[in-house]
Amino acid sequence: NAGVTQTPKFQVLKTGQSMTLQCAQDMNHNSMYWYRQDPGMGLRLIYYSASEGTTDKGEVPNGYNVSRLNKREFSLRLESAAPSQTSVYFCASSPTSGPDYEQYFGPGTRLTVT
Amino acid sequence: ILNVEQSPQSLHVQEGDSTNFTCSFPSSNFYALHWYRWETAKSPEALFVMTLNGDEKKKGRISATLNTKEGYSYLYIKGSQPEDSATYLCAFSGYSTLTFGKGTMLLVSP
Repeated sequence: NAGVTQTPKFQVLKTGQSMTLQCAQDMNHNSMYWYRQDPGMGLRLIYYSASEGTTDKGEVPNGYNVSRLNKREFSLRLESAAPSQTSVYFCASSPTSGPDYEQYFGPGTRLTVT
Repeated sequence: ILNVEQSPQSLHVQEGDSTNFTCSFPSSNFYALHWYRWETAKSPEALFVMTLNGDEKKKGRISATLNTKEGYSYLYIKGSQPEDSATYLCAFSGYSTLTFGKGTMLLVSP
């Protein structure tokens, strides 16, 4: 039982390049989330998927797109990377999107955009 | 944008000291308050999910209380140990999503 996995662990991009961050969970959770963590800031929600087939914007969605590929996988795409997107990205999942359910986090992807 | 405030920002205590942190959140439209522990080079892990005013949760030496009417929660650590060194995050839960505070970074020296 791997929990939540993310690939890659590290990535360096040049401004304007695109890439997709991958996230998968093996806990049969319905809800999945993408956050970014910046120095001096709390975890900020980029996008989430309350259930398979749905996605919604979070607090900081600009410059990102997401795909809920199936129940297990939720990917985050940067179409044209900018230095402001340098951050650590965390994927999380929970049994449902209800407020009572804790979230389980992946190990993170450290992205640098030069 | 919801305002979730945590204090202090950081804390340095000696092994054996007891300590506590505060999380302040909006007192309206309350669903739940989460506490997470985040060790360096690891991922955040849930400690408690609190839903009722007056709720108290305990896990070993760590406990938390909740006051939804005034919009605050306290996290207590009794007899801190070096392995308690971590950042402690609180998160205010809307119906579907969490809004995190910036965390309290705790360092426990032997």
